[in-house]
Amino acid sequence: GDSVTQMEGPVTLSEEACLTINCTYTATGYPSLFWYVQYPGEGLQLLLKATKADDKGSNKGFEATYRKETTSFHLEKGSVQVSDSAVYFCALSDSGYSTLTFGKGTMLLVSP
Amino acid sequence: ETGVTQSPTHLIKTRGQQVTLRCSSQSGHNTVSWYQQALGQGPQFIFQYYREEENGRGNFPPRFSGLQFPNYSSELNVNALELDDSALYLCASSFYYPDTEAFFGQGTRLTVV
Repeated sequence: GDSVTQMEGPVTLSEEACLTINCTYTATGYPSLFWYVQYPGEGLQLLLKATKADDKGSNKGFEATYRKETTSFHLEKGSVQVSDSAVYFCALSDSGYSTLTFGKGTMLLVSP
Repeated sequence: ETGVTQSPTHLIKTRGQQVTLRCSSQSGHNTVSWYQQALGQGPQFIFQYYREEENGRGNFPPRFSGLQFPNYSSELNVNALELDDSALYLCASSFYYPDTEAFFGQGTRLTVV
């Protein structure tokens, strides 16, 4: 079945540092790929998405590129802020947005 | 435009009891999906409802059941609660066709003691 593997956290960075959170996936078809963010005490928010190979999703300074050859969708940001502290989930869907397979999540902690 | 709302926000139940969780979908959305998020884990798909019918199910036993009402709101029912059912239960609403974002509620934190 489908699965998503992402790097374990917590990832601890200083403000303005570069961020990479690795995500790889296993799927039988050609899934859509997503990054969701969960702030403390809140539900999940879609951060960015990519629906086909070589697509780049971007939002709020975050980027991720759908790499079919390496089955990866790594999340990157050039300069993190304290307000980026949250848990980040990589996810895939074979059938639209609403049936999602998630990774275990990576906590990001950014200090001033 | 109202967002996805879930109730209650927290509850505590005893092992063996039954529980009902509720979700109001975002205005205009006709599909509701439920997820279980255990502590420190990613959400796991329980099932999806579209037009009041179950439209897909994850690897959860039959004691997890649901309903969708004509106004597209939904309930998740769990019978014979077990300690491992303690988790955050998330509801997500969307339109039923591909390429529509699922909007998540803030979740219901269920503790089984």
